[in-house]
Amino acid sequence: DAGVTQSPTHLIKTRGQHVTLRCSPISGHKSVSWYQQVLGQGPQFIFQYYEKEERGRGNFPDRFSARQFPNYSSELNVNALLLGDSALYLCASSQRGLETQYFGPGTRLLVL
Amino acid sequence: SQQGEEDPQALSIQEGENATMNCSYKTSINNLQWYRQNSGRGLVHLILIRSNEREKHSGRLRVTLDTSKKSSSLLITASRAADTASYFCATDARGSQGNLIFGKGTKLSVKP
Repeated sequence: DAGVTQSPTHLIKTRGQHVTLRCSPISGHKSVSWYQQVLGQGPQFIFQYYEKEERGRGNFPDRFSARQFPNYSSELNVNALLLGDSALYLCASSQRGLETQYFGPGTRLLVL
Repeated sequence: SQQGEEDPQALSIQEGENATMNCSYKTSINNLQWYRQNSGRGLVHLILIRSNEREKHSGRLRVTLDTSKKSSSLLITASRAADTASYFCATDARGSQGNLIFGKGTKLSVKP
């Protein structure tokens, strides 16, 4: 069975640009969560979606947005990129979002 | 903000020795999970312990949970060089609907 997949694996952007990250959950999982991990820190929760509805939102500015599609895949969008947005962005899926979350390999974003 | 705090921040041991990592958290939880991360890649789920459980085993892993002290420990027995990684605890706080809160992690180095 395929695990959680994310694309792209790496991305380089410049300040002020926009970025879209993509995530496909494990088959049968209906919940997707997004986390940001800056170097040397643990992941920080950004969003959780369940059945295409936003279930939770972390302490991130409105420049961050996300959505979940009918096939349960998800996109994370970040507008007006700042240098501080450079991080590993992790997607996790679970059946209902209330139990074990399985993480993808992440997208490493570098903002110059 | 990060709820969990792992201790120690870094741990270096020889192959065959046991490794113990501790985690403290701040609020009431539904469950606590331990994850492993190799070289800034995706997180691998190790074990989940529910708030009404005190101890759980999985292969060479033993996890304890003390909800009165708001703390957990992860013991890896007979460590191997392949166990070299960062280890994170993550809590699913009551009322959070599955949003995980991670600590900063313990960096484990197992020398052959």
